[in-house]
Amino acid sequence: QQQVKQSPQSLIVQKGGIPIINCAYENTAFDYFPWYQQFPGKGPALLIAIRPDVSEKKEGRFTISFNKSAKQFSLHIMDSQPGDSATYFCAASTEGTDKLIFGTGTRLQVFP
Amino acid sequence: DVKVTQSSRYLVKRTGEKVFLECVQDMDHENMFWYRQDPGLGLRLIYFSYDVKMKEKGDIPEGYSVSREKKERFSLILESASTNQTSMYLCASSSSDRSTQYFGPGTRLTVL
Repeated sequence: QQQVKQSPQSLIVQKGGIPIINCAYENTAFDYFPWYQQFPGKGPALLIAIRPDVSEKKEGRFTISFNKSAKQFSLHIMDSQPGDSATYFCAASTEGTDKLIFGTGTRLQVFP
Repeated sequence: DVKVTQSSRYLVKRTGEKVFLECVQDMDHENMFWYRQDPGLGLRLIYFSYDVKMKEKGDIPEGYSVSREKKERFSLILESASTNQTSMYLCASSSSDRSTQYFGPGTRLTVL
């Protein structure tokens, strides 16, 4: 059973655009929401993470927006660059476990 | 820098063979994980180990076993490989308390 639903499966934008990747969850016990970025031939790497006590977190051009009541969170990439082309995974976990539940991934392509 | 290494980048095996995938981390992390990555399905947890000789089943443990005799090494074993185990296998490690998971580059296993 998929506990974190991620959309879209793929996304194509032009350089400078603002791609948005969405994730939704059902388990209200989730309290940690990281995003991982994976380049071809590499393992995923942590990009940015948020906890539900804040509604937004920014790190450089990457922003997580969190809507606790809707049980949704999203990743925005400002001024996207071809170097941002990668697969992005959202994830979630609950207190008391070090395991992550991952979404199905979004393949982002940014064209010059 | 944290380094997680996996024994092979590519592996081709025949149906029924016993397959060993090895993972080594150099950061004295307590937790180690094995995932498989398939298109459209994201990252699915096979097994998790939170200490030497300790293991916990993930979401898809059937057909797999694991071994952790030393803190830095976590092995995934396919007792009798089948074609539906053709996939990308990713190992990760983390310290305790829901810290960042660090991934290896992956092993692409093909079972013929």
